[in-house]
Parts: sequence; structure tokens; C-alpha cells
Amino acid sequence: AQSVSQHNHHVILSEAASLELGCNYSYGGTVNLFWYVQYPGQHLQLLLKYFSGDPLVKGIKGFEAEFIKSKFSFNLRKPSVQWSDTAEYFCAVNRGNDMRFGAGTRLTVKP
Amino acid sequence: GAVVSQHPSRVICKSGTSVKIECRSLDFQATTMFWYRQFPKKSLMLMATSNEGSKATYEQGVEKDKFLINHASLTLSTLTVTSAHPEDSSFYICSARDPTGGNRYTFGSGTRLTVV
Repeated sequence: AQSVSQHNHHVILSEAASLELGCNYSYGGTVNLFWYVQYPGQHLQLLLKYFSGDPLVKGIKGFEAEFIKSKFSFNLRKPSVQWSDTAEYFCAVNRGNDMRFGAGTRLTVKP
Repeated sequence: GAVVSQHPSRVICKSGTSVKIECRSLDFQATTMFWYRQFPKKSLMLMATSNEGSKATYEQGVEKDKFLINHASLTLSTLTVTSAHPEDSSFYICSARDPTGGNRYTFGSGTRLTVV
């Protein structure tokens, strides 16, 4: 069955540390990929998305993600996190009429 | 971990009819649920925030008389698309907040609605 895996359940970093959150999916074929962020008490916001073209995608707030087709991965990165990045991050994969979310990764950034 | 069941996963209905989508938290009590809609090739759009025992808060541009949200219990929220039109065809997904699970959010599996 199609699935989306986020391997890190909870990540704790200090400010200025680099971040990489993993996302792997099991779909074959052409997919659309998303990373969403949910700040405490708020709804989802789109960080970035990949439909086609350059596999390195830049999003808002300094985030980027790289689509590696051979690895079925779409990892999220940020070179230097801030305390305000504390939130929950969700990877989502869409293929045709199907869309799945990963279980989410909680990021805690210590000041 | 927390599980949210969304039903049905796919539904086809005729124009003018109503469709109800259910979102259940199976192993936790969800005081808050969000309803989203996804348009083709776009990201999710928040439709409304549903709080148990009170009226839902709708986002600007979302017709509350068309998209009826009921959150009558701590484990169930429903979205009813009334008098459906083809332009209502979309992917609808809910997420629920688990207040005892560190306030984490869990998504349902989504509902693909096709109005013919």
C-alpha cells in the first residue's frame, strides 16, 4: 500500500543548528510532493512544494527540500534553525487522486 | 499512536444532492479538528476549524451554509457538502488535535468527492 514515512518523531535542536527532516514515500510513477508546517495552535501552512523541474526546491523561511527520485525521498532542510521554527512538520505526497500525509515530525528548537 | 479515521475515502454523487464526510478520532478525544480542501495542483486550503460543542469557525470565502460542520462529540466531526455542484469536486481532509498527546495533529486519510 502507498505510504509516506517520516522517520523522526521528535527532533530537538539548539538555535543555529542545521536541520534535516526525512520523508520517504512508496508510490511509483509521477508524484507531487509537499512540506507543511503547523505552528502550535495554528492550522497547516505550506512551506514548499515540488511538481516538476529542478529537484531542489526553495520554500519560505529559509527552508528547502530535495527530491531524489531514485531514493523516493523528499527531505526538508534548513541550514540554521531559529527558536520560531518550533512546530510540527508534515510531508505529503499526491499522485493522481490519492494524497497521503506522513505522521509528522515535531521540531523543538531550544534558545 | 493517534489514529484518525475519515470516511468515505471516495464518493461520487449527483448534482444537487448532499454528501456527509465523517472524521473520527479513534483513540483520543479531539477538542479541535480542522477541515481542509485541496484543489488540483495546489496546496491544502483550510476551510474551517471545528471545536467540540461550539460552532465551527469558517475561513473567509468558505460558505458555511454550503459546507456544514458539526462537532457534536469529542471523537466525531462531520462535514456535509449540501446541494453539491461539480465545482465542489475535490479532495477533503480532516486533522484532529490530541490534547493529551502533546497537542499533536493527526490527519485522516482524506475523501475524494466527485460531483457529476
